[in-house]
Amino acid sequence: GENVEQHPSTLSVQEGDSAVIKCTYSDSASNYFPWYKQELGKGPQLIIDIRSNVGEKKDQRIAVTLNKTAKHFSLHITETQPEDSAVYFCAASMSGYSTLTFGKGTMLLVSP
Amino acid sequence: SQTIHQWPATLVQPVGSPLSLECTVEGTSNPNLYWYRQAAGRGLQLLFYSVGIGQISSEVPQNLSASRPQDRQFILSSKKLLLSDSGFYLCAWSVRLGNQPQHFGDGTRLSIL
Repeated sequence: GENVEQHPSTLSVQEGDSAVIKCTYSDSASNYFPWYKQELGKGPQLIIDIRSNVGEKKDQRIAVTLNKTAKHFSLHITETQPEDSAVYFCAASMSGYSTLTFGKGTMLLVSP
Repeated sequence: SQTIHQWPATLVQPVGSPLSLECTVEGTSNPNLYWYRQAAGRGLQLLFYSVGIGQISSEVPQNLSASRPQDRQFILSSKKLLLSDSGFYLCAWSVRLGNQPQHFGDGTRLSIL
């Protein structure tokens, strides 16, 4: 089955810096890659996703890039703010009778 | 718009007691439904998923069971809780399986004493 590796497990940045979280996946049939943000005591919230027919997608300060050849995708957050502090999860899935496979999460800490 | 509700938000139960957690979805029909457990604030472990009423797939053999008595209702149960059942339980829904986003509820924090 699919395996998703996520790095780093913890990331500390200063407010205003950029943050990058990377994920790799094992199954070349995967074609959908969402990112979730989980704040303390809450459920994960979808923040951005990308499909395999697109190499990059942006939404204000966040962007996701996908390299299908290398089987990796990354989340980029620019101009980080303290409210960006949370745990971020990447995931991958494919068409058909399959579920999302999640990475183990990255705790992002943004210091003012 | 679609919404997902989980209750209770927090639960403290003694070892050996039964469990029933409920999840309901509003604003959509025939959703796919999921139960996850999250231990130590990290990592999402898929426990069960359902593609329709009465249809349950189990991902991890354990002390828990799931049922789907109605289209938009998903229940997680146990007859006798173990200490190891402590954790944060999350329900989610999606339009269908495969390459679709899942939308999560706000979870139930379960503590076993």
